[in-house]
Amino acid sequence: DADVTQTPRNRITKTGKRIMLECSQTKGHDRMYWYRQDPGLGLRLIYYSFDVKDINKGEISDGYSVSRQAQAKFSLSLESAIPNQTALYFCATSDGQKQYFGPGTRLTVT
Amino acid sequence: GESVGLHLPTLSVQEGDNSIINCAYSNSASDYFIWYKQESGKGPQFIIDIRSNMDKRQGQRVTVLLNKTVKHLSLQIAATQPGDSAVYFCAESPLSGGYNKLIFGAGTRLAVHP
Repeated sequence: DADVTQTPRNRITKTGKRIMLECSQTKGHDRMYWYRQDPGLGLRLIYYSFDVKDINKGEISDGYSVSRQAQAKFSLSLESAIPNQTALYFCATSDGQKQYFGPGTRLTVT
Repeated sequence: GESVGLHLPTLSVQEGDNSIINCAYSNSASDYFIWYKQESGKGPQFIIDIRSNMDKRQGQRVTVLLNKTVKHLSLQIAATQPGDSAVYFCAESPLSGGYNKLIFGAGTRLAVHP
């Protein structure tokens, strides 16, 4: 959905580096989410936020942190990247039921 | 290349045939369900949703069926087209508690052959 953008779209980084993935949305939604997707698996929830002051851990939050800078922006950070964090990362927004996904960031940790 | 979808179950159909993609969900407390389509290199795209107080809902060329007794969800695509080739995910959500989280299935790859 063009209303949800993610940067970068692709990134290769080395073990131990800090990296930030950014997400912006123009849908005006309060709820935002970060997921990771691995081959053969569905999307798994890392963190979610229901407004600027509300941050919640998902099922696989270890090794990740997030920042909700504004209603429209939700960033995901890997403080010290490791190879098993190589995956596709998706940001999503929600109007309370349906979730609308960004195009994804392909992250490779070498 | 796109690595999502490796090792997924695959449904192969002829163009013009009807497709049925099945999903077993895990939580009997889930009361909202969604189907998403994910094309190569893109994020998941909403197709259709259904609440637990319904057992069938129709959209344009798609129908979702919900069987709560056996915790089964299916997506039917009529007159399947090459553009329907993608990975399809079902997702469930417990709406009780006032929040919205989705739990995704592993996905099924639909391959449409001319």
